[in-house]
Amino acid sequence: DQQVKQNSPSLSVQEGRISILNCDYTNSMFDYFLWYKKYPAEGPTFLISISSIKDKNEDGRFTVFLNKSAKHLSLHIVPSQPGDSAVYFCAASPYNNNDMRFGAGTRLTVKP
Amino acid sequence: GAVVSQHPSWVICKSGTSVKIECRSLDFQATTMFWYRQFPKQSLMLMATSNEGSKATYEQGVEKDKFLINHASLTLSTLTVTSAHPEDSSFYICSAAIGVNEKLFFGSGTQLSVL
Repeated sequence: DQQVKQNSPSLSVQEGRISILNCDYTNSMFDYFLWYKKYPAEGPTFLISISSIKDKNEDGRFTVFLNKSAKHLSLHIVPSQPGDSAVYFCAASPYNNNDMRFGAGTRLTVKP
Repeated sequence: GAVVSQHPSWVICKSGTSVKIECRSLDFQATTMFWYRQFPKQSLMLMATSNEGSKATYEQGVEKDKFLINHASLTLSTLTVTSAHPEDSSFYICSAAIGVNEKLFFGSGTQLSVL
C-alpha cells in the first residue's frame, strides 16, 4: 500500500534553472510532510518540512508547497546547482507521530 | 547536528547465517528508533519501531522472529536478521528522532547481500 507516491523516478535540469519535485499522498491523516535528500552510500538527510497548517515553507533555495485538497506537495529548488544532484524522498506522517511513510524517491540531476 | 551511526556499512553472508546491524545515536538520547528496508527502485519501507526498554512494534508483513530488534539503551538499537536468505538482501537503514514529530536523523545504512 503505497501511501506516498513520487511518480517521477528521475528529473534532469540545467544549472540555474528551477527543479520541481512532486509528491502525492493518499492518507488524509498525514499532517506533517518532509523532504529528505540522499547521496549514494549515505543515509537520507533532512531538507525541509511543512505542517498541514501551512501551504508554503521556504528555506533559502528550497521551498515546499502543500495542497491539502489535492493531497499533493512539491519541492522547488531555485536556482538549481550541480551539488543538488541526489535522490530526493518525500515523507509524510500523522501529527505527533514519527511513523513516517516515504515515497520511492526522485533522482535529480543538475547539469552544469 | 545530531548524528546516528550505523554499522556495518555492508555485509556479505552465507544463506542461513544471522547478521546483526547496530544503530547508535551519538550525541542525543533516542527513546525511539526506526528500522527501514529499501529494495532497489522502491521506497524506504518502515519495518519496525524500536522502543527503549520494551518490545519493538512491527509493521504488517514483517516477521518479528526473523528480524529481531533490541533497544537495550537510549543510544543503541540492534537489528538481527536471523537465518538470512537471498531474498533478505536489501539496504537496511535506521533512524532516530530527538522528539515526537521531529525530523528524523538517519544512519548511513547497511547493504546486506546474502549468498
